[in-house]
Amino acid sequence: NAGVTQTPKFRVLKTGQSMTLLCAQDMNHEYMYWYRQDPGMGLRLIHYSVGEGTTAKGEVPDGYNVSRLKKQNFLLGLESAAPSQTSVYFCASRTKKETQYFGPGTRLLVL
Amino acid sequence: RKEVEQDPGPFNVPEGATVAFNCTYSNSASQSFFWYRQDCRKEPKLLMSVYSSGNEDGRFTAQLNRASQYISLLIRDSKLSDSATYLCVVYSSNTGKLIFGQGTTLQVKP
Repeated sequence: NAGVTQTPKFRVLKTGQSMTLLCAQDMNHEYMYWYRQDPGMGLRLIHYSVGEGTTAKGEVPDGYNVSRLKKQNFLLGLESAAPSQTSVYFCASRTKKETQYFGPGTRLLVL
Repeated sequence: RKEVEQDPGPFNVPEGATVAFNCTYSNSASQSFFWYRQDCRKEPKLLMSVYSSGNEDGRFTAQLNRASQYISLLIRDSKLSDSATYLCVVYSSNTGKLIFGQGTTLQVKP
């Protein structure tokens, strides 16, 4: 039981490049989330999903897209990376009755 | 005003000390409350849920005051390994989201 996993762990991008962050969970959780964490800002919700095939915007969705084609996977895409998207990205999942379990994070640096 | 507010600290305490953190929330419809712990460069992990009657887990005690809209975390007999950032988390069913505080940093010194 791996819990919540994220790939890659670390990535460096140039401004304008695109990439996809993958989150996978093996706990059969309905809800999945993408957050970013920046110094002095705490965790901010980017997008979330309440089930396979559904997504919704969070607090800071601009510049990101997501997809939840399979229940166990939640993808976060950056179509044209900007330096302001340099951050640590955490994925989380939960059932309806429980609190969230987080993945180990992806550190992204945009130059 | 932030929905969940915490004093970022850092709180520097000696080993064996008792330390308390407070957190205030603005949404009176908030239903569930949690404390998470986050170590440097790691993911947040659930420390404990917070119940209206208060709850204790070893050296950790959590309290909820709905009337004043704050929750607290008390750590007794601090250990070096308690050094971390403690996140206050609030869940509201009307928004369906967990809201995280900025976190309070604790550093326990020998």
